[in-house]
Amino acid sequence: DTAVSQTPKYLVTQMGNDKSIKCEQNLGHDTMYWYKQDSKKFLKIMFSYNNKELIINETVPNRFSPKSPDKAHLNLHINSLELGDSAVYFCASSPPWTGSNVLYEQYFGPGTRLTVT
Amino acid sequence: ELKVEQNPLFLSMQEGKNYTIYCNYSTTSDRLYWYRQDPGKSLESLFVLLSNGAVKQEGRLMASLDTKARLSTLHITAAVHDLSATYFCAVAYNFNKFYFGSGTKLNVKP
Repeated sequence: DTAVSQTPKYLVTQMGNDKSIKCEQNLGHDTMYWYKQDSKKFLKIMFSYNNKELIINETVPNRFSPKSPDKAHLNLHINSLELGDSAVYFCASSPPWTGSNVLYEQYFGPGTRLTVT
Repeated sequence: ELKVEQNPLFLSMQEGKNYTIYCNYSTTSDRLYWYRQDPGKSLESLFVLLSNGAVKQEGRLMASLDTKARLSTLHITAAVHDLSATYFCAVAYNFNKFYFGSGTKLNVKP
């Protein structure tokens, strides 16, 4: 199936640990994103990569490090996990930008629910 | 930073009623999106609005955009229980920077 996929779907870990979340898209898109959705459902963009290059880096602690080995993958590594990192993390992708009249939709992955205890 | 405000945050309505969700944003934007999120699920794209006066309809949902007022509305006509979900608007800035509203949790009671 063509889609944006994330692994794992659930991640429970203790404070201080380091963990990674993987994202893959087979839609042929150029741009990939990471979002954080907190317990109040608020969604905030964290990072965006275009053709493996970081183009958006919002005010995210440097414990969070994205890595894009190729256009189809964008992984998120989190060091020294804290309680406040508990959230749902969504990966998304969007097609190449071809002009202002294009709909330019984002396609979201299923999310990874991270629980830090 | 671009701010996106949605209201109401919670909406409980009876089946068959009409209601409107509002989305205000602070800075001129390229595009306005509406998404639906069911509990524990991902976001599903509903509408993308590109220009002033744009109106799109799908079933009982209709979205419109007034770029001069920096306002988008999502109108629900004759609500049914299946529409119960959280609805988000999002504004795109510099083509790929997306800012989301806080979401409107809609509960349609039979």
